[in-house]
Amino acid sequence: DTGVSQNPRHKITKRGQNVTFRCDPISEHNRLYWYRQTLGQGPEFLTYFQNEAQLEKSRLLSDRFSAERPKGSFSTLEIQRTEQGDSAMYLCASSQTDGSYNEQFFGPGTRLTVL
Amino acid sequence: LAKTTQPISMDSYEGQEVNITCSHNNIATNDYITWYQQFPSQGPRFIIQGYKTKVTNEVASLFIPADRKSSTLSLPRVSLSDTAVYYCLVGDGGSQGNLIFGKGTKLSVKP
Repeated sequence: DTGVSQNPRHKITKRGQNVTFRCDPISEHNRLYWYRQTLGQGPEFLTYFQNEAQLEKSRLLSDRFSAERPKGSFSTLEIQRTEQGDSAMYLCASSQTDGSYNEQFFGPGTRLTVL
Repeated sequence: LAKTTQPISMDSYEGQEVNITCSHNNIATNDYITWYQQFPSQGPRFIIQGYKTKVTNEVASLFIPADRKSSTLSLPRVSLSDTAVYYCLVGDGGSQGNLIFGKGTKLSVKP
C-alpha cells in the first residue's frame, strides 16, 4: 500500500503527558499537511511542510504543539502537556505540487483521547 | 479564502441521483472548486474538482454556473456505501497551502 500512513491509530493519554504522532506521506509527494478534526466538524488546518521547510502554521498550533519533517520525508507532530481539549482526530495529508491544484491525499488519522 | 455554505444533511434512497449544492459568493478568479468525501474514522478523499461549466469523472459530476457563485455535486444512482460527509472547498490551486473545510453535508442513503 503506497498511501499515507499514520501511527499510532489510537492514543489514550493522561492530561499533562506528552504525545508524538508520526506520518509517512506518499513517497514522491513534497508537501505534507497536518489537520485536526473534532466530532461533527470538518478538518482544521494546523501546519504544512514543503520538503523539510515548515511554510505555514495556524494560530490553532499553540506553543505546546511542534511539528517536524526532517529530510523532507516522514513528519512528527508532538503535543506537550496535553489537555482534554486536545482530544481529536489528527489527520496527515500529502500532495505533489505540479502547478495545478494540489489534490491532497489523507491518511487514516490518529485518534487522541486525553483523560 | 472563500467561505462555503452547504446543507448540513441530506437523505436519499438507493438508486436515486443526489445533488448537493454549495454556495461560495466570494470566490476569487483563481479559485478552483473541489469536493471531498469522508467516511467515519477515515481521512477525507478527493472526489472531483472544477473551475467552470461541467466536469465529470467515474464517480460524480460537478456543475458550475457562469457566475461561479455556487456549484452542485451530482452523485448518480447512489448506494448505501455513498453514505458519508461531503465537503465543498474553494482555493487557488497549487499556491494554496491548506484546505479550509466547513462542516460538510452528511448524506444518508437508505435502502
